[in-house]
Amino acid sequence: EPEVTQTPSHQVTQMGQEVILRCVPISNHLYFYWYRQILGQKVEFLVSFYNNEISEKSEIFDDQFSVERPDGSNFTLKIRSTKLEDSAMYFCASSEVSGSYNEQFFGPGTRLTVL
Amino acid sequence: GENVEQHPSTLSVQEGDSAVIKCTYSDSASNYFPWYKQELGKRPQLIIDIRSNVGEKKDQRIAVTLNKTAKHFSLHITETQPEDSAVYFCASNSNYQLIWGAGTKLIIKP
Repeated sequence: EPEVTQTPSHQVTQMGQEVILRCVPISNHLYFYWYRQILGQKVEFLVSFYNNEISEKSEIFDDQFSVERPDGSNFTLKIRSTKLEDSAMYFCASSEVSGSYNEQFFGPGTRLTVL
Repeated sequence: GENVEQHPSTLSVQEGDSAVIKCTYSDSASNYFPWYKQELGKRPQLIIDIRSNVGEKKDQRIAVTLNKTAKHFSLHITETQPEDSAVYFCASNSNYQLIWGAGTKLIIKP
């Protein structure tokens, strides 16, 4: 059964550094998402992406964040200058049709630790 | 902004008993309500969802009910088993994004 994959599984970085989190969505899916989950807290929506552009973003997704689909398979989340409070689990998800009305499939997550 | 409230935060039930988790939402335009299960250290996985055109949906031991008037929906798990132990999240759609509840940690006591 196809799954969403994410790399790396754990990223440790210094405050102020740039990080890029990578995701490979399920191949026939058209909608892509990033979420974050601070340890022990709820899952928070960051951004949705469709047809090579951002379709929706939350207040969390400020100018420090960007997303890109550099080729036909990868979907990346970049944080330009990491802050301590960016430490969290970041989940990528994808859906075949609009995920605001249909199942989203989640990757295993990347645990980001900002020191 | 729109919000989803989820209760209780922790639920401990005897194996074999039923568990009920409740959520309320604020956006009257919401029309999709998924429930995700997250085991420790794992990714969230959809277990059941309901759309606003129905009031109840059942899948084996799991059922979800929706009251659009009151803007609340509930997850019911019957005949609970040890493998049901996990954190359960409700969500609702609002402005093309999913708004998640805070989660319920379900503990199944042997």
